[in-house]
Amino acid sequence: GDSVTQTEGQVALSEEDFLTIHCNYSASGYPALFWYVQYPGEGPQFLFRASRDKEKGSSRGFEATYDKGTTSFHLRKASVQESDSAVYYCALGDGTYQRFGTGTKLQVVP
Amino acid sequence: EAGVTQSPRYAVLQEGQAVSFWCDPISGHDTLYWYQQPRDQGPQLLVYFRDEAVIDNSQLPSDRFSAVRPKGTNSTLKIQSAKQGDTATYLCASRGLGVETLYFGSGTRLTVL
Repeated sequence: GDSVTQTEGQVALSEEDFLTIHCNYSASGYPALFWYVQYPGEGPQFLFRASRDKEKGSSRGFEATYDKGTTSFHLRKASVQESDSAVYYCALGDGTYQRFGTGTKLQVVP
Repeated sequence: EAGVTQSPRYAVLQEGQAVSFWCDPISGHDTLYWYQQPRDQGPQLLVYFRDEAVIDNSQLPSDRFSAVRPKGTNSTLKIQSAKQGDTATYLCASRGLGVETLYFGSGTRLTVL
């Protein structure tokens, strides 16, 4: 079945560092891909989505490009801030429900 | 616009007890989802509805879990006889017609002792 893989369980960075969180997917057809962010005690919040090859999604300085060739949707940010500390989830949707990765916990120290 | 509302925020039970979770989705959203999120894991679908109809409950442990959405608005998820393995946060999410974005509530954190 369709699935999403996030390889980093935790990432620790200093403020102003460059961030990459890897997301790879396995799916038939052309799924939509999403990034969500979750803060402690809250549900996941939508960051952005992309639905076709080479489409870039972005929000709050974060961005990711849908790459069908490498089946990836890696999350990047040029300069992280302490307030970006949270858990980030990649998700895949086919119009029915969304399947989530295991999440990557980002800790940014000042 | 009010977001997705869930209650209670926390529940602590002994094994074998029953518990119900309640969800009020965003007004006008026709699709409602229940996800289970074990500690340090991603959300995993339990069941989802479109209006009052169950669309997919294949991942709901049917012997102990049940979910209803009788008028196509609020929904209740019930665990009949809780087990320690049910310890998790239960998230409700809703989605509007033709929109793919999910809007999540803050969840109910369940601990089964």
